[in-house]
Amino acid sequence: GAGVSQSPSNKVTEKGKDVELRCDPISGHTALYWYRQRLGQGLEFLIYFQGNSAPDKSGLPSDRFSAERTGESVSTLTIQRTQQEDSAVYLCASSLVLVSKLYNEQFFGPGTRLTVL
Amino acid sequence: QKEVEQDPGPLSVPEGAIVSLNCTYSNSAFQYFMWYRQYSRKGPELLMYTYSSGNKEDGRFTAQVDKSSKYISLFIRDSQPSDSATYLCAMSEGVLTGGGNKLTFGTGTQLKVEL
Repeated sequence: GAGVSQSPSNKVTEKGKDVELRCDPISGHTALYWYRQRLGQGLEFLIYFQGNSAPDKSGLPSDRFSAERTGESVSTLTIQRTQQEDSAVYLCASSLVLVSKLYNEQFFGPGTRLTVL
Repeated sequence: QKEVEQDPGPLSVPEGAIVSLNCTYSNSAFQYFMWYRQYSRKGPELLMYTYSSGNKEDGRFTAQVDKSSKYISLFIRDSQPSDSATYLCAMSEGVLTGGGNKLTFGTGTQLKVEL
């Protein structure tokens, strides 16, 4: 009965390094989302997965950001050549997709707090 | 201009007070309106969800949507110290390819309910 889990919970890295963030969705949830929450800002949508395909990746801020998902399971968000402006909390959410519902609740993980020095 | 505007607060009220939280938005295509609560160092959790205009009540919480004014509200009655958190409004245009929903969030209002 676990919820969405994310690892690591905190990551400190140096500018220019690559980082990989992991999300384990709730079992059976086919939809998976990544959001970014910068200090004093609302959550920004990054990318949406349905299964292992990404129908909407419109929120990825640059080509330094990429994400992949294995089947209907784990997803990783990779940030290459990190910059200080990448410092934020990265949140993952998952949901069921029920065709009878026009909105399916997204369940959020606790996030990964990324600090780029 | 941001698509969704929300007063960041902080808002401090005494226990038992009625709290009113609000968001305005500019995108007339938004159809689904949500309020999330976020405790410190935790992910947001859904409180209320409303489709189109109208009111919805759940216990001490009431959500209102006025699409003509592009204005949504969350009211908390008989506020408790455990209600102290950040409240985020979120909106969605509709269903994405494959059935998902892309949410656009406000910045969140920090609420503190004092004993």
